[in-house]
Amino acid sequence: AQTVTQSQPEMSVQEAETVTLSCTYDTSESNYYLFWYKQPPSRQMILVIHQEAYKQQNATENRFSVNFQKAAKSFSLKISDSQLGDTAMYFCAFTSRKYNFNKFYFGSGTKLNVKP
Amino acid sequence: GAVVSQHPSRVICKSGTSVKIECRSLDFQATTMFWYRQFPKKSLMLMATSNEGSKATYEQGVEKDKFLINHASLTLSTLTVTSAHPEDSSFYICSASHGSTDTQYFGPGTRLTVL
Repeated sequence: AQTVTQSQPEMSVQEAETVTLSCTYDTSESNYYLFWYKQPPSRQMILVIHQEAYKQQNATENRFSVNFQKAAKSFSLKISDSQLGDTAMYFCAFTSRKYNFNKFYFGSGTKLNVKP
Repeated sequence: GAVVSQHPSRVICKSGTSVKIECRSLDFQATTMFWYRQFPKKSLMLMATSNEGSKATYEQGVEKDKFLINHASLTLSTLTVTSAHPEDSSFYICSASHGSTDTQYFGPGTRLTVL
């Protein structure tokens, strides 16, 4: 079975600073996707960013970027210029062709608090 | 684009009754829909995967007869919690994907409280 590990249950960052959330995964697959989802207090899951395993270039979306280390099976999320609206639970997720990219494995989440 | 809605957002019911939760993809056709359960301060647990017009595939440990899933059209899936008990109280989230992308789009969730 695939496992996704988020080792930081909770983190805090000052507004406008940068924070990195870690995620590691375990798989024997070669064709897979990784995701970061954000769940604010409203509980709505929002896609932040995703990465295709065969792409070496790290994905970026505005203030959000990932550091994808395939050999180390690491997929960290960097949030630059943190904003109060970034306060949320962040979940790392994995899926692969083995599951037709359907079945998602989620990490346990990291609660991020952005302080003013 | 890629909006998924859920109804109701909150429901309170008495023990022994059945509750139906709807999940709709509003602006795309969802070939596959997923139902998750989330306990407080926990991650999402996949309950089942449903494809339009076919029976749902349930994850190990999920009771098929208790959590009935119907995916009657490409835009609608329903989850019925039958004979609900207090231990079924939870946050239920659906998601949907379509064939051209690997991404799942999530609904806003439904808070079920069984008294």
